Amino acid sequence: EPEVTQTPSHQVTQMGQEVILRCVPISNHLYFYWYRQILGQKVEFLVSFYNNEISEKSEIFDDQFSVERPDGSNFTLKIRSTKLEDSAMYFCASRLASETQYFGPGTRLLVL
Amino acid sequence: ILNVEQSPQSLHVQEGDSTNFTCSFPSSNFYALHWYRWETAKSPEALFVMTLNGDEKKKGRISATLNTKEGYSYLYIKGSQPEDSATYLCAFSGNTGKLIFGQGTTLQVKP
Repeated sequence: EPEVTQTPSHQVTQMGQEVILRCVPISNHLYFYWYRQILGQKVEFLVSFYNNEISEKSEIFDDQFSVERPDGSNFTLKIRSTKLEDSAMYFCASRLASETQYFGPGTRLLVL
Repeated sequence: ILNVEQSPQSLHVQEGDSTNFTCSFPSSNFYALHWYRWETAKSPEALFVMTLNGDEKKKGRISATLNTKEGYSYLYIKGSQPEDSATYLCAFSGNTGKLIFGQGTTLQVKP
């Protein structure tokens, strides 16, 4: 059964460093999302991506964040200069045309 | 600000017990209500997507109902098994597609 994959599963970085979180969505899907969950808080929406552009972004998704679908299979989230408060589990999700979003297993990011 | 609330926050039951959780969501600008099952270190697994008021969906021992007019959904598990232990997340979506999640209900089923 097709699934969304994410790499790495864990990432530890120093404050101020750049990180790139990678996702491979399900191959024929058209809509792509990033969400995150800070420990003890709700899963929160970051950004949605369709037709090679951002379709919606949250207030969290400031200039430090960017997304890219460089080669038609990968979908990446870049944080340019990480802050302590960026420590969270980051989830990628994708969907075709139906409402169901399929999630990856997440990347746990720890910023020291 | 759109807010989704789930209750209870956690639940401990014995194997064989039936249980239910509640999700409340905004009744305006409603498009769909989603239920996910999430086990630690795994991907959240989509259980149901419901769009119509009065919808009822079933998957094995798990079922869900939807009331869009009053803004709530119930998830029922009949005869809980240890393998049902997980966090159950509900999420509301409007017409933009983004999901707004509740805080989840963590279920622990003791053998």
